[in-house]
Amino acid sequence: EDQVTQSPEALRLQEGESSSLNCSYTVSGLRGLFWYRQDPGKGPEFLFTLYSAGEEKEKERLKATLTKKESFLHITAPKPEDSATYLCAYSSASKIIFGSGTRLSIRP
Amino acid sequence: SQTIHQWPATLVQPVGSPLSLECTVEGTSNPNLYWYRQAAGRGLQLLFYSVGIGQISSEVPQNLSASRPQDRQFILSSKKLLLSDSGFYLCAWSEQGNGYTFGSGTRLTVV
Repeated sequence: EDQVTQSPEALRLQEGESSSLNCSYTVSGLRGLFWYRQDPGKGPEFLFTLYSAGEEKEKERLKATLTKKESFLHITAPKPEDSATYLCAYSSASKIIFGSGTRLSIRP
Repeated sequence: SQTIHQWPATLVQPVGSPLSLECTVEGTSNPNLYWYRQAAGRGLQLLFYSVGIGQISSEVPQNLSASRPQDRQFILSSKKLLLSDSGFYLCAWSEQGNGYTFGSGTRLTVV
């Protein structure tokens, strides 16, 4: 069964403390791996799309990487405004499936 | 540029009342459209998707239905709401093989 799992469920960091979020997947026919940011009470906001193993994309303090079995969202020197839930999702030929997300909290 | 509109933002409805949530997309034609529900602290559950006018696929059996009367309009409905229908409802659109663009969501509370 196609599945995507995110870890940890929640992560609390001090401002400036770098870390990584994990998204592992078992899927046949991966067409794309997506990362989203979701603030409370709002719809998810698109961050990155990764299509092939070895691909990397960056945006400000965030960098997403992809291997054959998992993706990482690295956050470097985070700020309190980076606090949010980060969702990953994969696209197969027929649908897009989301993980349950990682709630990231950055303390000033 | 493409935009997606979803309303209302919040809704409080009594058990047994009907529901209609509307979503419209601008700036694109023949988009794939989706309705998701998100329970508190949980991931997104796909409810319905549509690849064209009048074409609706249901992912889970439930008390809800969806319709697509126009190319860029997607409606989520219920004839009689249940308490378990409470949640955060999100509309989204995508182009083939690409990620989603989400609406701002509707917080539905059934009382």
